Amino acid sequence: GAGVSQSPRYKVAKRGQDVALRCDPISGHVSLFWYQQALGQGPEFLTYFQNEAQLDKSGLPSDRFFAERPEGSVSTLKIQRTQQEDSAVYLCASSTHTGGGYTFGSGTRLTVV
Amino acid sequence: AQSVAQPEDQVNVAEGNPLTVKCTYSVSGNPYLFWYVQYPNRGLQFLLKYITGDNLVKGSYGFEAEFNKSQTSFHLKKPSALVSDSALYFCAVREKLAGNTGKLIFGQGTTLQVKP
Repeated sequence: GAGVSQSPRYKVAKRGQDVALRCDPISGHVSLFWYQQALGQGPEFLTYFQNEAQLDKSGLPSDRFFAERPEGSVSTLKIQRTQQEDSAVYLCASSTHTGGGYTFGSGTRLTVV
Repeated sequence: AQSVAQPEDQVNVAEGNPLTVKCTYSVSGNPYLFWYVQYPNRGLQFLLKYITGDNLVKGSYGFEAEFNKSQTSFHLKKPSALVSDSALYFCAVREKLAGNTGKLIFGQGTTLQVKP
């Protein structure tokens, strides 16, 4: 597609529920990134894929967070047993192999109640 | 570790006046620096980047940024502000990752308010 597409745009989850957030990157972009943006803060790195390989997951805040990109295109970020502190906007970005430019999606706003 | 600081939470300017949004950075090695803008309920939109070359970088929507190595700064500027420039601005530095790419380390953001 022309841009990075994320769904859903908004998600309300009850505490303890599992959620799955989807990212559809720009076609042909090798690199895919997930970021978490808390209210009033800058985005913080969660994890990075090169094709289907997850090369860096150092930013995932706990083992409740899991990301996959099984065919090297669409990626899913899964959060198990959601907590209130997980409330944030989750941004996905993709880039070419060299990473000189990054295109961001509009994000998924997750609210845990 | 790489880091970015945006010392101002908010910048207020009158329409038509020049604007500056400040950013300083701390990196090891040569910096790759970026500016992004975020409108409400939208993702981040790329404005400009510095990789190498001229210290004055021109970007989208009339914005430019000046790379100053001695002051480790990368301030965003525009000669004449528009009301529609009102948004949240993020400075970022790239930190290299495996696979010849890098992740972005963002500042806390600066809200720009342009008043008519």
